[in-house]
Amino acid sequence: EPEVTQTPSHQVTQMGQEVILRCVPISNHLYFYWYRQILGQKVEFLVSFYNNEISEKSEIFDDQFSVERPDGSNFTLKIRSTKLEDSAMYFCASSRGQGENSPLHFGNGTRLTVT
Amino acid sequence: SQQGEEDPQALSIQEGENATMNCSYKTSINNLQWYRQNSGRGLVHLILIRSNEREKHSGRLRVTLDTSKKSSSLLITASRAADTASYFCATSRGSYIPTFGRGTSLIVHP
Repeated sequence: EPEVTQTPSHQVTQMGQEVILRCVPISNHLYFYWYRQILGQKVEFLVSFYNNEISEKSEIFDDQFSVERPDGSNFTLKIRSTKLEDSAMYFCASSRGQGENSPLHFGNGTRLTVT
Repeated sequence: SQQGEEDPQALSIQEGENATMNCSYKTSINNLQWYRQNSGRGLVHLILIRSNEREKHSGRLRVTLDTSKKSSSLLITASRAADTASYFCATSRGSYIPTFGRGTSLIVHP
């Protein structure tokens, strides 16, 4: 069964550095998402992306964050000038469409540790 | 906020018993979904119930929705050790983007 894949599985970075988290969504999916989960907390929506542009974003997704689909397969999340509180699991997800017949398919996440 | 809040936060049962998890939310919704997350893995979609539905079944899963109380429940019957995971409810409104709660951590002892 097709999967969403994320790399790396674990990223350690120093405060103030930039990180890029990578995702390969399922190939025939059109909608892409990033969520994050701080340890023990809820899974928080960051951003959705469709037709090469952001379709919706949350309050968390400020100027520190950006997303890109640099080619036909990858979907990236860039975090500039990382802070300690950015430490979390970051999940990429994709869906065929947007609606009741298109559940999200999640990758296994990238654990980001900011030291 | 529309997001669901699951209750209890943690649940520990013996194999063969039923597990019931609840979800409450605050605003009107289009649908409510339940997802499962094994330790260290991504979320996996289990079942969706529309706002005009009251009950739905899928295998050993039974989901109910009470829009007047803004609550839902997930029942797993005849639980197995492999059901050990975190379970999240997710609500959707106009954009259909699911908003998740904190989850219920279920441990099923063999």
